[in-house]
Amino acid sequence: LAKTTQPISMDSYEGQEVNITCSHNNIATNDYITWYQQFPSQGPRFIIQGYKTKVTNEVASLFIPADRKSSTLSLPRVSLSDTAVYYCLVGDVNNQGGKLIFGQGTELSVKP
Amino acid sequence: DVKVTQSSRYLVKRTGEKVFLECVQDMDHENMFWYRQDPGLGLRLIYFSYDVKMKEKGDIPEGYSVSREKKERFSLILESASTNQTSMYLCASETLGAGEQYFGPGTRLTVT
Repeated sequence: LAKTTQPISMDSYEGQEVNITCSHNNIATNDYITWYQQFPSQGPRFIIQGYKTKVTNEVASLFIPADRKSSTLSLPRVSLSDTAVYYCLVGDVNNQGGKLIFGQGTELSVKP
Repeated sequence: DVKVTQSSRYLVKRTGEKVFLECVQDMDHENMFWYRQDPGLGLRLIYFSYDVKMKEKGDIPEGYSVSREKKERFSLILESASTNQTSMYLCASETLGAGEQYFGPGTRLTVT
């Protein structure tokens, strides 16, 4: 399973755009990239998933370059409520019983 | 909305006790997972199941067993609880091929 590397922590201010980059040099052909968000005392929550290029939903955008060795989660105009831990995962979602590995995540702190 | 429920939010057990953690999902998902989460270590997969009576070991299965007798229910068993199993335990489920795991609220287990 591909290992991911992302910053341990990031700080931002309300209204700014936040970009969290994840490195996954050993990504396999069938692997997808998935991001989760976790608030204190809650389970993680799915944010976005992609395979290549760009994916956008109502919460975030995910940018994946052609070589797929990294990806960037972009949160537009963050608010205090976006303070959370963000996890980048890489895995073959179509593999029966496929596993995803959660790393340590990036702790995002949004300040007023 | 998908709902994943866990039998307890908080649990205190003594060393050597047998502990059962129950997880139920209401969306007919094939895959179910048990993780533990510890500060500085992120989420680590203990066991997962992709069908009734099927199970596979995750990254840290030692000291744990699981049971999946019905599709909606996945139980984690600590045969003889030890203090190093004090942790937050999270259950998740997903539809095969979706890559989007739905998490329960977690059970904070303390073993004294």
